[in-house]
Amino acid sequence: GENVEQHPSTLSVQEGDSAVIKCTYSDSASNYFPWYKQELGKRPQLIIDIRSNVGEKKDQRIAVTLNKTAKHFSLHITETQPEDSAVYFCAASPAAAGNKLTFGGGTRVLVKP
Amino acid sequence: DTGVSQNPRHKITKRGQNVTFRCDPISEHNRLYWYRQTLGQGPEFLTYFQNEAQLEKSRLLSDRFSAERPKGSFSTLEIQRTEQGDSAMYLCASSPRQGAAEAFFGQGTRLTVV
Repeated sequence: GENVEQHPSTLSVQEGDSAVIKCTYSDSASNYFPWYKQELGKRPQLIIDIRSNVGEKKDQRIAVTLNKTAKHFSLHITETQPEDSAVYFCAASPAAAGNKLTFGGGTRVLVKP
Repeated sequence: DTGVSQNPRHKITKRGQNVTFRCDPISEHNRLYWYRQTLGQGPEFLTYFQNEAQLEKSRLLSDRFSAERPKGSFSTLEIQRTEQGDSAMYLCASSPRQGAAEAFFGQGTRLTVV
């Protein structure tokens, strides 16, 4: 089955700096890669996703890149703000598996004012 | 709130008791997923339904776990003879249609087995 590794497990950045989180996956059949943000005690919320026919996607301060050959994808947050502090999860899903998600272990991001 | 709804939000039970959780997906979403999340970890897939059919169960789902979605709308997850290792957050998610992969999560049911 699919295995997703996520690094780093914790990330501390100064407000205004950029944050980068990296994930690798093992199943070449995976073709959908979402990123979720989870604040303490709250539900995971989808913040951006990318499909395997696209190499990069951007939404305001958030961007995701995908390298299918190397089986890795990354989340980039620019101009970080204190409200970006949360746990971020990457995930991978092969459409043939009913779109079930395999998650990485999470990255706790702390943005220091 | 028209999002995914889960009840109860918290459940404390004694070891050996049975518990049942409910998930109401977003209206007309035909796919429904259950995940389990332990502290500091990412959610782990347990099972999923397309309409009323349970299409896949993870090996994490022991015989003590059973899930149903009788009319293709809400779903229940039952754990029999609970163990301390069952303590976790149980998350439900729904997805609008085949081919659309976006999954929307509920706020979860936090189970504590004492």
